[in-house]
Amino acid sequence: DAGVIQSPRHEVTEMGQEVTLRCKPISGHDYLFWYRQTMMRGLELLIYFNNNVPIDDSGMPEDRFSAKMPNASFSTLKIQPSEPRDSAVYFCASSLVLGIQLFFGSGTQLSVL
Amino acid sequence: GENVEQHPSTLSVQEGDSAVIKCTYSDSASNYFPWYKQELGKRPQLIIDIRSNVGEKKDQRIAVTLNKTAKHFSLHITETQPEDSAVYFCAATLANQAGTALIFGKGTTLSVSS
Repeated sequence: DAGVIQSPRHEVTEMGQEVTLRCKPISGHDYLFWYRQTMMRGLELLIYFNNNVPIDDSGMPEDRFSAKMPNASFSTLKIQPSEPRDSAVYFCASSLVLGIQLFFGSGTQLSVL
Repeated sequence: GENVEQHPSTLSVQEGDSAVIKCTYSDSASNYFPWYKQELGKRPQLIIDIRSNVGEKKDQRIAVTLNKTAKHFSLHITETQPEDSAVYFCAATLANQAGTALIFGKGTTLSVSS
């Protein structure tokens, strides 16, 4: 298995633009997580899914953020409109069992100018 | 609110010395405590984990200890090597009304100088 796959690796955009981050979890993993990493706040859990259903989105910072998981092999995190304070590394992770042994993707480095 | 506190934020040691990183958690129901290592520009990777029914776990040069009464756990790295230089994150399961998820500490940047 290639592991958790995220795209793009880097995204540079201007304030106000829509940004879509993509993730393919490890096949067979029922849980998918989106984390945001910044120097100030560390790794923050944004949302997680179980069997494609969002379970806890209390970490999503604002209505500008939305996440979907249309099927077991694909998830998106969308920011619309983007703001400079959204600049961070966004990680997707998946696991077989809830919270146990998370496998992280390579992350998307987002820069909003 | 419920969280995981990690100390120190930075740690510098000489090669061959030991390094200890400590974390405390607030949710008494937490039952799983992993440690992740993140090298510069790379993804976090699990290096060791411990469950609440165990007090200590060891894997070669790394060990984790858990004190459930005090709600703290620690990572111990012995005979440190330059390749141990990285950011280390502790984490704990946190249950809320929605479900249970893994909450991370803010990380410790470990620098091992030769």
